[in-house]
Amino acid sequence: QQPVQSPQAVILREGEDAVINCSSSKALYSVHWYRQKHGEAPVFLMILLKGGEQKGHEKISASFNEKKQQSSLYLTASQLSYSGTYFCGLQNDYKLSFGAGTTVTVRA
Amino acid sequence: EAGVAQSPRYKIIEKRQSVAFWCNPISGHATLYWYQQILGQGPKLLIQFQNNGVVDDSQLPKDRFSAERLKGVDSTLKIQPAKLEDSAVYLCASSTGRTDTQYFGPGTRLTVL
Repeated sequence: QQPVQSPQAVILREGEDAVINCSSSKALYSVHWYRQKHGEAPVFLMILLKGGEQKGHEKISASFNEKKQQSSLYLTASQLSYSGTYFCGLQNDYKLSFGAGTTVTVRA
Repeated sequence: EAGVAQSPRYKIIEKRQSVAFWCNPISGHATLYWYQQILGQGPKLLIQFQNNGVVDDSQLPKDRFSAERLKGVDSTLKIQPAKLEDSAVYLCASSTGRTDTQYFGPGTRLTVL
């Protein structure tokens, strides 16, 4: 079953923060976050394997709440390079199911 | 380290024609995936290989789609005959194991007219 991502889109000015949420109705083994720029392949950002685990990539971090079956991606002090579509992939039964994506636009 | 390679990058065909895509995964990656990404949506898994065996093809439309990974390295995905709704980007990904990080190739953009 496809995870639910919110919001669908967000527009930021450089330096602003944003949170992207991803939730599932099924128990999760792990959460994978990717960013995809227009016309390019999805690029891996981070994987969270344990409940409560938080990881970071530059000023992008994520948390995984196993009990609530959800994950959040935090964009801190956003840069122009953060623009793109962010996908969460939830792993269950050795398969990744991707959400519909959150389009982030960072403006100068 | 070389990434996942795919070809062709773009393909335009008419409906009812056949088409094939090729993927060469990262060296040493045992698991290979084919995804379909329709515009505005996330990637959808079509088929997953572990070495040269299929471990999941539950979402593959088997009446028209087929895939193989004969020597456990590169893979081909075929559509025959193509329909208008097959227009999408076909992404190949690979990983060391079935629960590990997946790395994506650049994709093949298919347009069916």
